[in-house]
Amino acid sequence: EAQVTQNPRYLITVTGKKLTVTCSQNMNHEYMSWYRQDPGLGLRQIYYSMNVEVTDKGDVPEGYKVSRKEKRNFPLILESPSPNQTSLYFCASSFSVGATEQYFGPGTRLTVT
Amino acid sequence: AQSVTQLGSHVSVSEGALVLLRCNYSSSVPPYLFWYVQYPNQGLQLLLKYTTGATLVKGINGFEAEFKKSETSFHLTKPSAHMSDAAEYFCAVSVSNTGNQFYFGTGTSLTVIP
Repeated sequence: EAQVTQNPRYLITVTGKKLTVTCSQNMNHEYMSWYRQDPGLGLRQIYYSMNVEVTDKGDVPEGYKVSRKEKRNFPLILESPSPNQTSLYFCASSFSVGATEQYFGPGTRLTVT
Repeated sequence: AQSVTQLGSHVSVSEGALVLLRCNYSSSVPPYLFWYVQYPNQGLQLLLKYTTGATLVKGINGFEAEFKKSETSFHLTKPSAHMSDAAEYFCAVSVSNTGNQFYFGTGTSLTVIP
C-alpha cells in the first residue's frame, strides 16, 4: 500500500529535550516536506526537500532541522524544543512540486511543556 | 511568496443543501490549484486539482471546483451536502516558476446539520 508513515503519532516532551519525528514514504517520491498545522493558521511549510541531500527552508524553519540522506526518509529534528513548537505536524511527499498532488502522513501531535 | 485566502473559517449547511467553500489566490502566473480534505484525526487527502485545460474540475465524493483566472478564484462546490462531508477543507496553490513550495489557506471547517 502506497503511504507516508510518521512516528510517533503523539509525543509529550519537556522544553529543551531533543527529539526526532520520523517520516518515510514508499512511493519513490522525489519531493518531501514538513508542515505544522495550528488553529487559524492552516498548514505552514517548515522545510522541504527536492531530492536526496537537497533541502531548503519553508516559511517557518526556525527551531527545526531536517536531513535527507535516503530518498524514502525525511526526519524532522527539534534540537531544543520550546512550548511554541506545540503543534500538529504533517509529513508529505510527491513526485515533484507543481502540478502533482502531495500525499500526507497521519500527523504527529507534539506537546512541549 | 504566494498567498491563499479562504473566506469563512467555519461554514454550516443543512444536509442536502449546496456546499460552497471559497478560495482566492494571489499569483501573477497561472498556478496549480488543489483542494484537500481533512477528516478528524487524519492527514489530508486530495479532493481535486487544476493544472491545465478545462477550468471546471471534478473530484471525489461529488465535489467540483472552477478555476476563474479573472477572479483569481478556485471555489469548491457540491450540489447536495451529506453528513459524511463534515470535515476541514484546505485550498492550496503551487506555482512552478516561482519556487518549490506549496502554499495552503487557513482552512474551512464544514459542519453539516441534519
